[in-house]
Amino acid sequence: AQSVTQLGSHVSVSEGALVLLRCNYSSSVPPYLFWYVQYPNQGLQLLLKYTTGATLVKGINGFEAEFKKSETSFHLTKPSAHMSDAAEYFCAVSGMTGNQFYFGTGTSLTVIP
Amino acid sequence: GAVVSQHPSWVICKSGTSVKIECRSLDFQATTMFWYRQFPKQSLMLMATSNEGSKATYEQGVEKDKFLINHASLTLSTLTVTSAHPEDSSFYICSARDAGGRNEQYFGPGTRLTVT
Repeated sequence: AQSVTQLGSHVSVSEGALVLLRCNYSSSVPPYLFWYVQYPNQGLQLLLKYTTGATLVKGINGFEAEFKKSETSFHLTKPSAHMSDAAEYFCAVSGMTGNQFYFGTGTSLTVIP
Repeated sequence: GAVVSQHPSWVICKSGTSVKIECRSLDFQATTMFWYRQFPKQSLMLMATSNEGSKATYEQGVEKDKFLINHASLTLSTLTVTSAHPEDSSFYICSARDAGGRNEQYFGPGTRLTVT
């Protein structure tokens, strides 16, 4: 069984401040982990993903995430928030051999000017 | 990069009518496509898995006779909401898994359905 927990449904940061969005997963198999961003009334855009190899994954728009197996976490960070980062962020997990994605409940990021 | 399109992007229909939503993979072949539903300010919930040339697999609680899925080709899957009701109003998002076998889904832009 697989599941994802995103702590904090709403996160507010000041422009230029560190962004930290938390994601913990549960998986009975080695997971594939993903972060997606969704802007209002739009589909999902892949920010980054972890499959195998290096545990620190760099994505688009300056985001990165680190896979920590011991903590079953895949937190998303960005050193300096920009106004354009305001959106909904979803963490997702998928099994190596399975197709199904399990999404977290999402975190709404607000960037304060 | 891989592109998935959906048509229409938004649709308004009257209660009791049916509406079809198309999901196309534009530059790759997708043996598997997925249909998700997203209520306002909520996460995506998988409705069904659509495999080319075979019957779709529905998640528990999803009415297969209400949400008809057809995956007739490697680049097209359709979702038909039959006898739509206001509670079917939602954002429907499809995704496609490339036939190359990488475990990555490419998402469509979504279709906003409003049933009046």
